Amino acid sequence: AQTVTQSQPEMSVQEAETVTLSCTYDTSESNYYLFWYKQPPSRQMILVIRQEAYKQQNATENRFSVNFQKAAKSFSLKISDSQLGDTAMYFCAFMPNTGNQFYFGTGTSLTVIP
Amino acid sequence: SAVISQKPSRDICQRGTSLTIQCQVDSQVTMMFWYRQQPGQSLTLIATANQGSEATYESGFVIDKFPISRPNLTFSTLTVSNMSPEDSSIYLCSVATRTNSPLHFGNGTRLTVT
Repeated sequence: AQTVTQSQPEMSVQEAETVTLSCTYDTSESNYYLFWYKQPPSRQMILVIRQEAYKQQNATENRFSVNFQKAAKSFSLKISDSQLGDTAMYFCAFMPNTGNQFYFGTGTSLTVIP
Repeated sequence: SAVISQKPSRDICQRGTSLTIQCQVDSQVTMMFWYRQQPGQSLTLIATANQGSEATYESGFVIDKFPISRPNLTFSTLTVSNMSPEDSSIYLCSVATRTNSPLHFGNGTRLTVT
């Protein structure tokens, strides 16, 4: 069975600073995909970044980057130059290569402080 | 990515009644899913909406309680039947445009049952 764990229920960061959100997962699959989604108060789930497990290079999307450690089954999200609009709930998600079954973590509530 | 319209965005319903949520996608998609997000919690998959056949339900969810229709590749409905306060949640429609692609979400429906 696949599980996704986010050990930080809440975090805060000063505007313009950098913050890292943690995520670990458990799987016996060798090939899979990992995602970070953002859910602002508007409720819509927005894809932030995606990582394929077979790629060693860490994914980046503008101010967002990941630290993917396959052996440790760790997938953290780094947000640089935090902005007020980054305030949201962040969910880590796992998808095996065998289909579109997603497994979500419990989320981290991030507050960016002006 | 697909644009997903979900209606209603919110509703307050009385115990014992039913509510049908609509999900409209701006392009044909093979995979559509319905998720539930209970207050302060992560996303739980209710079912996969299959075009032209019965939905595939996850453990803990049954067709009598959550009937789903999917008459074509761009539209699906989820009905929450015989509602109780425990059904108060956000219900999210999501789609995947191809196998192993990220999920895209609608804005969700915030349901409150009194």
